[in-house]
Amino acid sequence: EAGVAQSPRYKIIEKRQSVAFWCNPISGHATLYWYQQILGQGPKLLIQFQNNGVVDDSQLPKDRFSAERLKGVDSTLKIQPAKLEDSAVYLCASSFTPTGHFNYGYTFGSGTRLTVV
Amino acid sequence: AQKVTQAQTEISVVEKEDVTLDCVYETRDTTYYLFWYKQPPSGELVFLIRRNSFDEQNEISGRYSWNFQKSTSSFNFTITASQVVDSAVYFCALRGDSSYKLIFGSGTRLLVRP
Repeated sequence: EAGVAQSPRYKIIEKRQSVAFWCNPISGHATLYWYQQILGQGPKLLIQFQNNGVVDDSQLPKDRFSAERLKGVDSTLKIQPAKLEDSAVYLCASSFTPTGHFNYGYTFGSGTRLTVV
Repeated sequence: AQKVTQAQTEISVVEKEDVTLDCVYETRDTTYYLFWYKQPPSGELVFLIRRNSFDEQNEISGRYSWNFQKSTSSFNFTITASQVVDSAVYFCALRGDSSYKLIFGSGTRLLVRP
C-alpha cells in the first residue's frame, strides 16, 4: 500500500511570499489532516477534512493560511503571505476513520520543511 | 482540555540498556485513544501503537512494551535492549471522543550510543 505522498520535500521562501504544499492521502482514506511541527515541538493540528468537508480548522491562522480538498482526495495547503514564524515542517496525515485505524492509527507523510527567510 | 506531557526532553543510553519513556495525559473524555509515534531523523512519523481507554492490558511487541495505567493517567513506553537504530524522537499522542484533534506531547529525544 502506498503511503501518504507530500511535495515538495523542502521549500525556502522570503517573508511575504506565498507557498503551497500538496498532499495525496492513502487511497480510500476519508479523513485528511494538516499538521504544523515547529522545531523542537510536537505536531499541532491545523485543519482536518472528512472527505471534502472541513471538520476542524480552529487552529488554522485563516488570515494567511488556506486549505482545500476539492474532490475528497488530494489536498493543498497555502500560506500567503508567509512570516518568519511559519518556518516549520508541514505534515499531512490520513486515516480511514476519524479515530484512526486500529492497526496503524493515522498515517503521516514525510512532510514539507518550510524555511522562511 | 486535553493535554499530553512528556517530561523527559532527552534521554541518552548505551546500547543494550533498557529505557522507559514517560507519557502523562489529561482528558475529561471517558472514551479516548492513546498513541505512540517514532520520528527518526528522516522526519516521518512512524506509528507504533494505538490503545483505547477501555483496554488497559499491557502490550508487548518484540523489544517494545507499553504500560497503560488509567489510575495515574500514564501510558509509558519501554524499549528493552536498546539499539542504535532506536535513536529518534518519540511522541505520545491523545485523541478524545469530544474532539477530532490528535494532541501530541512535546516529544522525547532518545539517543542510543554504541
